[in-house]
Amino acid sequence: QSALTQPASVSGSPGQSITFSCTGTSSDVGAVNHVSWYQQHPGKAPKLMIYDVSNRPSGVSDRFSASKSGNTASLTISGLQAEDEADYYCNSFTSSSTYVFGTGTKVTVL
Amino acid sequence: QVQLVQSGAEVKKPGASVKVSCKASGYIFTKYYIHWVRQAPGQGLEWMGMINAGGGTNYAPKFRGRVTMTVDTSTSTVYMDLSSLRSDDTAIYYCARELPSGCYFDYWGQGTLATVSS
Repeated sequence: QSALTQPASVSGSPGQSITFSCTGTSSDVGAVNHVSWYQQHPGKAPKLMIYDVSNRPSGVSDRFSASKSGNTASLTISGLQAEDEADYYCNSFTSSSTYVFGTGTKVTVL
Repeated sequence: QVQLVQSGAEVKKPGASVKVSCKASGYIFTKYYIHWVRQAPGQGLEWMGMINAGGGTNYAPKFRGRVTMTVDTSTSTVYMDLSSLRSDDTAIYYCARELPSGCYFDYWGQGTLATVSS
């Protein structure tokens, strides 16, 4: 099972919106609505930001939104803030009943 | 509050095994699965497998034959044992919780660094 493909880095200025992708196949992202997103600050454990493609857990800012089309999921961060600077990973359940993470995207706030 | 507390850092020689524990508290242990995810230095996250409270497991193909996950419901603790260690197994190992059929990981342990070096 190959890792899902994410852009290595994305940057934006404070207040801007950024969107980045997570591309898989018809055996993972395209097969299920169980795509989740995680934020990871340096030296910290990952934190759940989105589950089931577009749902936010309680306590996660509504500046974070996500969607999916075909084999590609996307995460959007609106009103970019300095605290959003982190690594972001997508994850998908697969048709083999396993899980696969994305390669990770480093978000930089300029 | 929900907590997953992992055991401390380990240093092992190539060919040895490492066993990492994950002690859960703050919720009904038997109602959730525990997954293991690792992260090599400077690299991304990698799913290793999961275990339920009944001891049922599902391992990633890459780790089958080398990983064993076990559970002790009397102490709400899950163990992950990785054998035949190589230098590229050097990583931070995380446990994480999943509500059955939720297919996402809502709480994570603090991570355990396992270093494999001769």
